[in-house]
Amino acid sequence: KAGVTQTPRYLIKTRGQQVTLSCSPISGHRSVSWYQQTPGQGLQFLFEYFSETQRNKGNFPGRFSGRQFSNSRSEMNVSTLELGDSALYLCASSFTFRQGEQFFGPGTRLTVL
Amino acid sequence: GENVEQHPSTLSVQEGDSAVIKCTYSDSASNYFPWYKQELGKGPQLIIDIRSNVGEKKDQRIAVTLNKTAKHFSLHITETQPEDSAVYFCAATQRTGNQFYFGTGTSLTVIP
Repeated sequence: KAGVTQTPRYLIKTRGQQVTLSCSPISGHRSVSWYQQTPGQGLQFLFEYFSETQRNKGNFPGRFSGRQFSNSRSEMNVSTLELGDSALYLCASSFTFRQGEQFFGPGTRLTVL
Repeated sequence: GENVEQHPSTLSVQEGDSAVIKCTYSDSASNYFPWYKQELGKGPQLIIDIRSNVGEKKDQRIAVTLNKTAKHFSLHITETQPEDSAVYFCAATQRTGNQFYFGTGTSLTVIP
């Protein structure tokens, strides 16, 4: 069974731009969660989607948004990029939205210049 | 919200020795505790997990123990090998969803 895939793997953007990251969960998994990983803050939860609905949201500004499609694929968008948004963005999929085992993708490395 | 603390931040052991990483959590509502291993350039990989109705779980060289009263759980790796070198994260989650609260990570180095 294929794992979680994330595209692109690397991105370089400049301040003020926006970016869209994509995540395809494991086949059959319907829950997708997004995390931001930085050396200073560690792994921080952004939001979770299940059946195209946002079920949970972390403590991030409204510039961070996401959505999920009917095939469970998910995208996250960051608008008006800031230098501090440079991070590894990880997507995790699970079968359900209640304490399912979460399996992470390789991440998208975003660098904001 | 939940607060997960993880110690130590770095750990070096000789090949064949055991390694222990400890985490504490603050919210008694948390009832699922996974451990992840992250190698350089890769996403975290689930290596073992434990639910609050279980005190200990073992999978070959890896074991996890949970003390609900004290709100702490630990990862034990026996007979360490160089390929065990990585960053290990503990996490805790509550009943309301899949929002995981992660510890700050432990960089484990196994010296051949």
